[in-house]
Amino acid sequence: GESVGLHLPTLSVQEGDNSIINCAYSNSASDYFIWYKQESGKGPQFIIDIRSNMDKRQGQRVTVLLNKTVKHLSLQIAATQPGDSAVYFCAENMGGGFKTIFGAGTRLFVKA
Amino acid sequence: DTGVSQDPRHKITKRGQNVTFRCDPISEHNRLYWYRQTLGQGPEFLTYFQNEAQLEKSRLLSDRFSAERPKGSFSTLEIQRTEQGDSAMYLCASSLARGNTGELFFGEGSRLTVL
Repeated sequence: GESVGLHLPTLSVQEGDNSIINCAYSNSASDYFIWYKQESGKGPQFIIDIRSNMDKRQGQRVTVLLNKTVKHLSLQIAATQPGDSAVYFCAENMGGGFKTIFGAGTRLFVKA
Repeated sequence: DTGVSQDPRHKITKRGQNVTFRCDPISEHNRLYWYRQTLGQGPEFLTYFQNEAQLEKSRLLSDRFSAERPKGSFSTLEIQRTEQGDSAMYLCASSLARGNTGELFFGEGSRLTVL
């Protein structure tokens, strides 16, 4: 069946550097691709999403890139801070938030 | 706090017992979702409500699992005859149907440990 997966289970970056978290997806029919951040003991928190007809979207310190040709999604975090340490999940849905499918997650460690 | 609220936050039970979790979504949200998350994994979709109607159930939701949202507000997830494999974090999320794109608002989860 359809799945959303991630290339790397862990990523370690120096404080102040940029982070790039990658994700592969397999459902070409998905309308929205979303990044969530999950801190220990908490539920996932929405970071940013991108619609399938876009290839780039920017937020505050974050950028999401979508490459539909190779079914690849990435999250770029600029000037990574200790507070960015968390597990990041990519996810996809068919629009309207219905049945969002999550990948396995990448743990981001930020070294001071 | 006007976010999604889940209760209890932690539940330890013996195998074979029944457990029930409650979720209070954000008040104006008409969509409510249940997910299950095990250690090191992403949340797995279990079921989804729009108002009081349960519109989809995952194959992960065996006959021992039942979810309700009787008045289109809060929801309950009951697990009967719990098994050790049911140990997980049960996450509830809500969203607005109108104009919604990708954002789900999650609660902090109910962690179940089955001994």
